[in-house]
Amino acid sequence: DIQMTQSPSSLSASVGDRVTITCRASQGISNSLNWYQKKPEKAPTLLISDASRLETGVPPRFSGSGSGTDFTFTISSLQPEDVATYYCQQYDALPVTFGPGTKVDFK
Amino acid sequence: QVQLVQSGTEVKKPGASVKVSCKASGYTFTNYFFHWVRQAPGQGLEWMGRINPNSGGTNYAQKFQGRVTMTRDTSITTAYMELSRLRSDDTAVYYCASGSGPGYWGQGTLVTVSS
Repeated sequence: DIQMTQSPSSLSASVGDRVTITCRASQGISNSLNWYQKKPEKAPTLLISDASRLETGVPPRFSGSGSGTDFTFTISSLQPEDVATYYCQQYDALPVTFGPGTKVDFK
Repeated sequence: QVQLVQSGTEVKKPGASVKVSCKASGYTFTNYFFHWVRQAPGQGLEWMGRINPNSGGTNYAQKFQGRVTMTRDTSITTAYMELSRLRSDDTAVYYCASGSGPGYWGQGTLVTVSS
């Protein structure tokens, strides 16, 4: 199975801060990577697919980059509604696997 | 609009089975795989498997092999996930997901396993 790691596991930031999360795959996955936002009591929301493609309706402050084994997810200017846990997910090979998540909250 | 509507909360005893349904509407049911993902309390997202709604073919995570069965009924655009021999650590919210990505998710079904 492809193992996904994320760092940091949690972070605290202020409104307007730039936030960056990294995700690493245990083997190359090309650009077969999604980023999801998960809020308590809500279903996950797909923000980024194919490592860097912003989903329709997702604010442009969210972005993703990378390919192969190393990926980055960025919120350019953190907003109050962005408090959530963010997960990367690879779909290059079965089983589909998720990273452990990065919890983002406010200082 | 696209909707995935799941069945309601379940409470089961250890050793029992649970079957969760996921009714799709607003898009062509057979265009995309249905995935099932769960989240146990305080834990991350865990992929359980997927079903091809066209062929009925399935792929299961090794962890659930032998205990999970995913099916679909194309006539009513509904996918199902049945988990047997339930244990307390199967207590979780179970989600169906479909669409490109997948980007369409059900609202989640809480399954509580307790004696």
